[in-house]
Amino acid sequence: GAGVSQSPSNKVTEKGKDVELRCDPISGHTALYWYRQSLGQGLEFLIYFQGNSAPDKSGLPSDRFSAERTGGSVSTLTIQRTQQEDSAVYLCASSLGGRGSNEKLFFGSGTQLSVL
Amino acid sequence: AQSVSQHNHHVILSEAASLELGCNYSYGGTVNLFWYVQYPGQHLQLLLKYFSGDPLVKGIKGFEAEFIKSKFSFNLRKPSVQWSDTAEYFCAVNALNFGNEKLTFGTGTRLTIIP
Repeated sequence: GAGVSQSPSNKVTEKGKDVELRCDPISGHTALYWYRQSLGQGLEFLIYFQGNSAPDKSGLPSDRFSAERTGGSVSTLTIQRTQQEDSAVYLCASSLGGRGSNEKLFFGSGTQLSVL
Repeated sequence: AQSVSQHNHHVILSEAASLELGCNYSYGGTVNLFWYVQYPGQHLQLLLKYFSGDPLVKGIKGFEAEFIKSKFSFNLRKPSVQWSDTAEYFCAVNALNFGNEKLTFGTGTRLTIIP
């Protein structure tokens, strides 16, 4: 597709369940980011993938959060044993990547996660 | 680690008023600076960016921002706002230290323009 695609757009889950959020970046973009947007908290960095390099996981809030990027393209963010404080919009973004070239991130429309 | 502060959480202006949204960052080295905008119901998109050169950068829709290194600031300005500028605005910084490509965002400023 022409843009960054995220699925599902909305996810309602029960506390304690695991969820998987998917991101399809723009074709050819080597850099992929996950951010979390909570009310009043702005955009919180979670994880960053760049090509074949080891991902920057410094933003993951706990070991319940993990992410993979298979084949340098699609990424999956997994949240295990969800808690109510995990409720937020999870945004994925991609860019051409490479040092100094992350000048423009293209964002997806996000996944609204609600943990009941 | 770099951080970004946006002190205005919600700004309400009338059409044709002038706008200035504050952005301060904390990092002593070389930075790239950005403003992103999220219109209601739309994706986040790039408004303007500063990499090097002229510290006054111009973006889309008549917006501009000035990088003042001594103040660690990158305030967003527009001389005359329109109702269609109602959106949320995010400042972001990328500190150019080795191995760090992470873009750090501020908490955002919600701008409401009253017709």
